[in-house]
Amino acid sequence: GNSVTQMEGPVTLSEEAFLTINCTYTATGYPSLFWYVQYPGEGLQLLLKATKADDKGSNKGFEATYRKETTSFHLEKGSVQVSDSAVYFCALSDENTGNQFYFGTGTSLTVIP
Amino acid sequence: EADIYQTPRYLVIGTGKKITLECSQTMGHDKMYWYQQDPGMELHLIHYSYGVNSTEKGDLSSESTVSRIRTEHFPLTLESARPSHTSQYLCASSEYLGQGSYGYTFGSGTRLTVV
Repeated sequence: GNSVTQMEGPVTLSEEAFLTINCTYTATGYPSLFWYVQYPGEGLQLLLKATKADDKGSNKGFEATYRKETTSFHLEKGSVQVSDSAVYFCALSDENTGNQFYFGTGTSLTVIP
Repeated sequence: EADIYQTPRYLVIGTGKKITLECSQTMGHDKMYWYQQDPGMELHLIHYSYGVNSTEKGDLSSESTVSRIRTEHFPLTLESARPSHTSQYLCASSEYLGQGSYGYTFGSGTRLTVV
């Protein structure tokens, strides 16, 4: 079946530190992969996506590369800001299962000045 | 700016009350979803719909019910609220992102507290 395993948090970093949040997946087909971000008191927003192997999604300084050989989609940012404090969800969508989403458990990030 | 709207944003009600959480989207999306988000942040799919008059239960058993009489509207109802229903409820619709990929648009959520 489909599943997403995400690095457990919470993660606390100083401003300008390097961020990595690990995500690995299991899928029956060829999924699309996503990172969503949830700011306090809000719903989830799409941060970036990749639809096939070796694609790199990027947005707002965040990047993630779709690695089929390691079934991974790790989120990275070179220099985090206080405003990046949020919960980050890795997710996959598999056309074999009607494009239903499978979310990871979420990783809370706090960036301190 | 979100094109999917949830009301109310916050709700505190007494045990035994009937409540309806509203969710509307203006994008004409056929597929819509309700998630329950626990305090540990994990998302649990409780209901989904693939179009008008289509409703299905999700992975997490829920005492709530949903209806889909119009494409844009997907309300969730609790006939008799209990403290165990206290949670954040997120509504989403599915949109085509191109390259064979679909993504979700989420509402801002309703935080329900049952006392």
